[in-house]
Amino acid sequence: QKEVEQNSGPLSVPEGAIASLNCTYSDRVSQSFFWYRQYSGKSPELIMSIYSNGDKEDGRFTAQLNKASQYVSLLIRDSQPSDSATYLCAVVYNFNKFYFGSGTKLNVKP
Amino acid sequence: GAVVSQHPSWVICKSGTSVKIECRSLDFQATTMFWYRQFPKQSLMLMATSNEGSKATYEQGVEKDKFLINHASLTLSTLTVTSAHPEDSSFYICSARDWASPAYNEQFFGPGTRLTVL
Repeated sequence: QKEVEQNSGPLSVPEGAIASLNCTYSDRVSQSFFWYRQYSGKSPELIMSIYSNGDKEDGRFTAQLNKASQYVSLLIRDSQPSDSATYLCAVVYNFNKFYFGSGTKLNVKP
Repeated sequence: GAVVSQHPSWVICKSGTSVKIECRSLDFQATTMFWYRQFPKQSLMLMATSNEGSKATYEQGVEKDKFLINHASLTLSTLTVTSAHPEDSSFYICSARDWASPAYNEQFFGPGTRLTVL
């Protein structure tokens, strides 16, 4: 059983702060990692992908991957109320199957 | 990014009836599409992998005779919930990969179909 673990939250941060979201996974052979954002009642939308160890930055978002420790994180700088959503971590096995974590609910307070 | 559509966006049906949900890749060819189900406050659960021109691959615990998947073309996959019951009420989401794209490893999601079985 492939496991992807996320803290369900809610994680509350004030507007302008850095939000830090974490995800751990069980299978060392995982190849690709994704962060999706899901607003209530909507389908997920891709924020970032990361494939190799280290940091990857895209605008206000930074994904961090540590394969040795089997975790991947997402930092959101200058958090905005519009960032309030559930963030899903997805881990890919065998170049095909996505396994999703249960998601972390983020609340950004004005 | 690639665009995936779903139809209908919501459906209400009576218990015992069948419901068909369509998933289309609008600007790319998708040899593989995926069907997920999401219950309230839960994450996405992969139901099956839909392969163009061949049988779908179902995840453990998903009844293939209840959830019929057809992937007849490179841009269309359908999920039919047969003899639907209230416990089948859920948010059904499809996704597809664009193998011709440099971002072939990414999945693009449709907007989802909310099914309510009375």
